[in-house]
Amino acid sequence: QSALAQPPSASGSPGQSVTISCTGTSSDIGGNKYVSWYQQHPGKAPKLMIYEVSKRPSGVPDRFSGSKSGNTASLTVSGLQAEDEADYYCSSYVGSNKFIFGSGTKVTVL
Amino acid sequence: QLQLQESGPGLVKPSETLSLTCTVSGGSITNSNYYWGWIRQPPGKGLEWVASIYYSGSAYYNPSLKSRVTISVDTSKNQFSLRLSSVTAADTAVYYCARRPDTVGHFDYWGQGSLVTVSS
Repeated sequence: QSALAQPPSASGSPGQSVTISCTGTSSDIGGNKYVSWYQQHPGKAPKLMIYEVSKRPSGVPDRFSGSKSGNTASLTVSGLQAEDEADYYCSSYVGSNKFIFGSGTKVTVL
Repeated sequence: QLQLQESGPGLVKPSETLSLTCTVSGGSITNSNYYWGWIRQPPGKGLEWVASIYYSGSAYYNPSLKSRVTISVDTSKNQFSLRLSSVTAADTAVYYCARRPDTVGHFDYWGQGSLVTVSS
């Protein structure tokens, strides 16, 4: 199964919003509510930012929000801050205790 | 606070077997509310789910790696392990261990990662 499709890069100025898309199929994103997003700074482990499409773990700022429409999920970062500059990966459960990740998007704060 | 720590050789020769162990501290690997997994990331590339296991030993594998991967759990040591056979340069990656709460589809705690290089 191929990786979920994400744009390689996205950017915005401080205070602006940026939205990242994650496109899959009816077998993954379109087929269940278990879509999650991870933030990864260089040399660090991924950090869970969004789970079950739109839920935020404790401690994640509400500037981060998620949504889904059909086979495409989206992550929006509002009020961009310098520390939001990182790689972002989407992920989907595909059944039978198996998972698939996205190709990753590098977010640059201009 | 839960912590996961990967350990194992940083260099493996081509055609040999890669072996990594994840030690869990601050929580029990036999907690029935969690699965435990491995995710890898080749240098400069994206994440790839490798395998997951339940404390009972039920194992789940990425179909693209299934013929070469074995995941196991040692409840007495609060550890779980990964073995990947017949490695090639394409298996060079940072390998992360992580926890997945049961009934959900995400990984909430991750180890810091362990770089494994396949080279002669």
